[in-house]
Amino acid sequence: DTEVTQTPKHLVMGMTNKKSLKCEQHMGHRAMYWYKQKAKKPPELMFVYSYEKLSINESVPSRFSPECPNSSLLNLHLHALQPEDSALYLCASSQDYRGPGSPLHFGNGTRLTVT
Amino acid sequence: AQKVTQAQTEISVVEKEDVTLDCVYETRDTTYYLFWYKQPPSGELVFLIRRNSFDEQNEISGRYSWNFQKSTSSFNFTITASQVVDSAVYFCALTGPGNTGKLIFGQGTTLQVKP
Repeated sequence: DTEVTQTPKHLVMGMTNKKSLKCEQHMGHRAMYWYKQKAKKPPELMFVYSYEKLSINESVPSRFSPECPNSSLLNLHLHALQPEDSALYLCASSQDYRGPGSPLHFGNGTRLTVT
Repeated sequence: AQKVTQAQTEISVVEKEDVTLDCVYETRDTTYYLFWYKQPPSGELVFLIRRNSFDEQNEISGRYSWNFQKSTSSFNFTITASQVVDSAVYFCALTGPGNTGKLIFGQGTTLQVKP
């Protein structure tokens, strides 16, 4: 069983919709990540939260808006997406972003389709 | 600059064969960590192993073994007596610049194990 839980597993949304992806971990990790993965490609980093503060934004378009309400939760708010944003969105956590190579633990992902 | 190369895009073997997945990396950091992740069709990235740059000992875990050689900047992964359940995409990854949690992934190797 994965220790990082993502909901929903699948999401279909229109280009004018607003939706949110949710991620939760209870491992006491202080770093949380959003990755985007297109088919047959490696995951690409989008955002990093370290101690509930946004540390890294990899030049992600503003139609993606992350939020970290507390150390266990991470949201990704979606608005006015494009069909090319269809992908698998993976949440991950690690003990510390600047720690001694603490491994990332990934959730099962949300498979997003934008119509 | 950090880079991870997995030259094998796809590998197909018959069950019980041994198979080695290659990973070559580039980094300017003197301290870094290398990882292997498995991504089955379900989508979750499963952490398999972490190795730090100062520990060149090979590691064996059941049917899995890893060969880290700093001299050739390689971190290869061998599955002995492969099974159908080993079919997945395998990613090699490297800690980002400054040894951060921003993982640099290789392109992945798709392993198909046929019965």
